[in-house]
Amino acid sequence: AQKITQTQPGMFVQEKEAVTLDCTYDTSDQSYGLFWYKQPSSGEMIFLIYQGSYDEQNATEGRYSLNFQKARKSANLVISASQLGDSAMYFCAMREDNTGNQFYFGTGTSLTVIP
Amino acid sequence: EAQVTQNPRYLITVTGKKLTVTCSQNMNHEYMSWYRQDPGLGLRQIYYSMNVEVTDKGDVPEGYKVSRKEKRNFPLILESPSPNQTSLYFCASRGHVREKLFFGSGTQLSVL
Repeated sequence: AQKITQTQPGMFVQEKEAVTLDCTYDTSDQSYGLFWYKQPSSGEMIFLIYQGSYDEQNATEGRYSLNFQKARKSANLVISASQLGDSAMYFCAMREDNTGNQFYFGTGTSLTVIP
Repeated sequence: EAQVTQNPRYLITVTGKKLTVTCSQNMNHEYMSWYRQDPGLGLRQIYYSMNVEVTDKGDVPEGYKVSRKEKRNFPLILESPSPNQTSLYFCASRGHVREKLFFGSGTQLSVL
């Protein structure tokens, strides 16, 4: 079974609108961490936001927030007020604290911001 | 500046010619790992290392070797590259177990 599932291969959003990128995960660990990374066309991996499984509040970092629903095992990324520079590939990832050694990545969502 | 440095950025080679992709970090991180990225498959872990002389397989280790003789360096070795190893490769490191991964800038490898 896939550890991380991103079901949206491609998404479009109008500039200044909000967009939600979906991520569901599969783990039997009680302690784990969830990450979102952005990969622009230049190729580098840029860390966006982190959510720990025991964090009671949803993580936020500027225009990025993580909609964490533990019972549903989902960790959706919300980007508010989209900008043209947000056009990129977005990856959801998980680290299981049982081992802490392996990171599992989703297949990514390509976001295009339309002027 | 804290960084993970990978070299080369681009590499074109032929089947069977041994190659090494270097990775170095200046953050004194114990944990380092290698990933390959393929369209539609996301990033998959090849090998990781918890410390000097401690390495272990990830999800796709076949055809790759690694070594960790020094804390800062974690080279990826392809002894006999094949075309199915054409991919974008990333090295990453991490400090504390709950920290994010710091990524290198990637190596685009083409095996002809």
